[in-house]
Amino acid sequence: DAGITQSPRYKITETGRQVTLMCHQTWSHSYMFWYRQDLGHGLRLIYYSAAADITDKGEVPDGYVVSRSKTENFPLTLESATRSQTSVYFCASSGGTSGRTDTQYFGPGTRLTVL
Amino acid sequence: QQQVKQSPQSLIVQKGGISIINCAYENTAFDYFPWYQQFPGKGPALLIAIRPDVSEKKEGRFTISFNKSAKQFSLHIMDSQPGDSATYFCAARKNSGYSTLTFGKGTMLLVSP
Repeated sequence: DAGITQSPRYKITETGRQVTLMCHQTWSHSYMFWYRQDLGHGLRLIYYSAAADITDKGEVPDGYVVSRSKTENFPLTLESATRSQTSVYFCASSGGTSGRTDTQYFGPGTRLTVL
Repeated sequence: QQQVKQSPQSLIVQKGGISIINCAYENTAFDYFPWYQQFPGKGPALLIAIRPDVSEKKEGRFTISFNKSAKQFSLHIMDSQPGDSATYFCAARKNSGYSTLTFGKGTMLLVSP
């Protein structure tokens, strides 16, 4: 089905391990985003991308790495996971050339637990 | 610095009642204010949005009221239903070029039968 998908949906890892969360969208949207959702903090932007090979930091980028070699994919990597990175991660995308008022479409989320 | 302050954190409303969620912002450069609705286990989805050139926008039972001078906006859910039980996020976006959304911390709404 068309849309935005995330994998895995659930992940348990250990402190210090590298983990990559995948995001794929079939709309050819220009913009893609990674958020983390934590109780009491709402949605916080980690990184975003305006197009392939263009990425920029959000509010909480430390400890995360992103890449975007293809328009449809936007993986998020935790290079050395820490317990504080236990969270629910959402990927989103939006289309349009300006993106200023375009709706952001969210994926189903990945629940990550770091032991 | 929290740029969009949302209240209350949680809200319980009886079926048929009016649910009201408030947001306040500080940055006058914001010019687009969406509300997102999130059901448990799902990603957020756009519910309704407003630009500051109007004071109110209504879509079905959902209404955004906007007060530019007070830098506040609110979501009203009329005739609240148990199916409206969800977390609601207000957000804001700046008017300069492309910029990202700044979200409030969310309100968990429970509509009791």
